[in-house]
Amino acid sequence: EIVLTQSPGTLSLSPGERATLSCRASQSVSSSYLAWYQHKPGQAPRLLIYGASSRVTGIPDRFSGSGSGTDFTLSISRLEPEDFAVYYCQQYGSSMYTFGQGTKLEIK
Amino acid sequence: EVQLVESGGGLVKPGGSLRLSCAASGFTFSTYTMNWVRQAPGKGLQWVSSITSTSNYIYYADSVKGRFTISRDNAKNSLYLQMNSLRAEDTAVYYCARDLLAIDYGMDVWGQGTTVTVSS
Repeated sequence: EIVLTQSPGTLSLSPGERATLSCRASQSVSSSYLAWYQHKPGQAPRLLIYGASSRVTGIPDRFSGSGSGTDFTLSISRLEPEDFAVYYCQQYGSSMYTFGQGTKLEIK
Repeated sequence: EVQLVESGGGLVKPGGSLRLSCAASGFTFSTYTMNWVRQAPGKGLQWVSSITSTSNYIYYADSVKGRFTISRDNAKNSLYLQMNSLRAEDTAVYYCARDLLAIDYGMDVWGQGTTVTVSS
């Protein structure tokens, strides 16, 4: 089973700043199988990025994904107040999905 | 509007059973692989089970294998999760989620979730 480790666990930033979230896999992951989600309390998770770098229709272009192999990154170029949430990376492999443990992006 | 609505959650004693349902609308349900994902209190997201469009392939997380059964009724646009031998650690919000219809993997539509509490 591939384990995804996200860092940092918590990221404290101010609106307008840039956020960089990391997701490291225990084994190489196909880029087609790597996705990123935003999750706010009391809401359904929202798919932001699939295929490591493809933005879902309707997601602002301040969100971008990059990476390959075992190292993937979600970047948010200029934080808006509504961006503060928990972010998860997810991979698909061996007929199962696994999620990282999440990065909480909080207002500084 | 594309929508998934879960129901069937509640309070159940350890060892008990519960059946969750997920009603789909606004899209061709029979085309998509569907999933159950859960989030225990204070924890992250955990994939539980997947079922392909025609139920040909079904997969489970090791933590629920042998206790949970996923199924679907394409005529009723509905997804189900039969949960037996429930344990305290199954306490969570359970989401149904639609797979991407693409060569890429991910879940692009989610319900709001239904809460399952396993406690005596």
